[in-house]
Amino acid sequence: GNSVTQMEGPVTLSEEAFLTINCTYTATGYPSLFWYVQYPGEGLQLLLKATKADDKGSNKGFEATYRKETTSFHLEKGSVQVSDSAVYFCALSDRMDSSYKLIFGSGTRLLVRP
Amino acid sequence: DAGVIQSPRHEVTEMGQEVTLRCKPISGHDYLFWYRQTMMRGLELLIYFNNNVPIDDSGMPEDRFSAKMPNASFSTLKIQPSEPRDSAVYFCASSPMGSGGETQYFGPGTRLLVL
Repeated sequence: GNSVTQMEGPVTLSEEAFLTINCTYTATGYPSLFWYVQYPGEGLQLLLKATKADDKGSNKGFEATYRKETTSFHLEKGSVQVSDSAVYFCALSDRMDSSYKLIFGSGTRLLVRP
Repeated sequence: DAGVIQSPRHEVTEMGQEVTLRCKPISGHDYLFWYRQTMMRGLELLIYFNNNVPIDDSGMPEDRFSAKMPNASFSTLKIQPSEPRDSAVYFCASSPMGSGGETQYFGPGTRLLVL
């Protein structure tokens, strides 16, 4: 079946540090991949997405590249800010499965200190 | 443009009581999803609708849970009777047809505490 595995948090960084949050997936078809972000007290927001192999999604300085050979979609940012503190969810949607479900990972909490 | 609206934002109730959570999706969106989030189980999809029709309710935990979507602008999730283990944050999300349900817009959630 389809699944998403994320690195466990929390990830604690100093401001301006480089961020990587690992995400790997298992899918039976050809998934689209997503990163969603949840700020404290809020619902999830789409951060970026990629729909096919080698695509790079990017938004607000965050990037992730769809790597089919390693079944990965790691999230990166070159210089984090305190305002990036949030929980980050990796997710997939398998277009071979017409149920239109998003399969979410368990989330990784990021804490950025001044 | 208003986002997904959920009410109430917080609900405290006693075990055995009926709880009704409400959601207004973004206008023009064809898909509506109900999720539950807990520390132990993470984010779980409960049910989703397409054009007001329930498509997949396999995530609904048991018969105490029910969801309806009487029209394109309103949905409810009802728990009757409620139990302490139902305490969680419940999210509603909607998605436009063009995204195939993949790009979901989440509401702020309803934080439910069952005593």
